This record gives sequence, C-alpha cells and structure tokens, in this order.
Amino acid sequence: KQEVTQIPAALSVPEGENLVLNCSFTDSAIYNLQWFRQDPGKGLTSLLLIQSSQREQTSGRLNASLDKSSGRSTLYIAASQPGDSATYLCAVSWQTSYDKVIFGPGTSLSVIP
Amino acid sequence: KAGVTQTPRYLIKTRGQQVTLSCSPISGHRSVSWYQQTPGQGLQFLFEYFSETQRNKGNFPGRFSGRQFSNSRSEMNVSTLELGDSALYLCASSLGLAGGLAYEQYFGPGTRLTVT
Repeated sequence: KQEVTQIPAALSVPEGENLVLNCSFTDSAIYNLQWFRQDPGKGLTSLLLIQSSQREQTSGRLNASLDKSSGRSTLYIAASQPGDSATYLCAVSWQTSYDKVIFGPGTSLSVIP
Repeated sequence: KAGVTQTPRYLIKTRGQQVTLSCSPISGHRSVSWYQQTPGQGLQFLFEYFSETQRNKGNFPGRFSGRQFSNSRSEMNVSTLELGDSALYLCASSLGLAGGLAYEQYFGPGTRLTVT
C-alpha cells in the first residue's frame, strides 16, 4: 500500500535556526514529489517539485532532497524566519499508479522571534 | 496575472441538501483539480478535469461530481450532503494534466463548507 508520512507533526524553533522537515513514503518507484506550504485557512503554495530522476532542488533558502532507496525526502530551510511559520506538506505520485497523488499529513512549523 | 479564485469562500448547508462550488483557474491553464481537506483525513484528491473531460478520479462516492466549461472554469457538486462532508474544498489549476504531479499546481484559497 502506498503511503506518505511526515514526522514530526509539529515543530517549534527559534528564529535564525536551520531546520529539516521529513517526508517518508512507501514504494520507492515514485514518479514525482512536491513540497507545499499552507498558511492557516488558506490554499497551498507550491515550493519545490522534484522529479524521480533528480536528487535535489533549490529555491532561495529552501533545499529539497530525494533519496528513493530509503523512501525519504527532506526539506531544508536555512536561517528560518517568523514568516516561514506554516504547515508544510509533501505530495507523492508513483510510476505504477501515475494519476494517484497522496499528500502527507503535514508538519506544522512555528518560528519564534 | 490573477490567481485561482474560488466562490463562495464560506458556506453553511443542512444535511440532505446539495451544494455547488465554483473554481476559476489561472488564465491559460486548462486543468482543474479538486481536493477535500479535513483534520482527520488530510488532503484527498477528488477529481481532475482537462479540456472539459474528467481525466482522473479519487476514491469518493458518486455524490461528488464535477464539470468543466469551455473557458476552463470548473464546478464541483455534492448532493445529499452528510455531516462528514464538512471540509475545506480546494481547487488547483495547472497548464497541463496534473496527474502524477507532472505540472506544477496553483491552489485557490478554498471554500469552507460546514454541514449542520
């Protein structure tokens, strides 16, 4: 069964700290993986999309890596800011069920000034 | 460029009623996907429309249906509402078929549906 998990469910860090968010998935034959952020009561904002042939993607202070063999992706946020406070979700699609996308439950991040 | 818009933003309905939600994609985007988000089940895919045709469908009962118009605007309908249908309904648009995360999706702010 294809599943996506994100641990921890919540994380609180002081401003300026570098942090890592985790996304784990079963079945390593993924197609694509995408990281989103969601602000309270709002829609999702796409952060980074990693194709299965890629190892990482970077955008500004964000870096997402993909390790298919271990079934894991990490989102690295450098020099965290209070504006980074949001829920971060990862979404995964698989080669064997191309049109099926499963979202993880998310990690709620609070960056304390 | 205007983003994805959803109307209405908030809705309160009674069990047994039906509801129609609307989504206007970003100009030029031909795909619209719908999602349901609840605290218990998280974010779940409902269906995707591309060029007025449903291309992908999630695991939801037939009470959930949708359609897409020639201008790519989409509507989602839920009939015979149940308490468990209370959720945030999100739509997302993309240039091409978003199945498998092939294209980046842009999300609207959502419609908060409360069923009493």
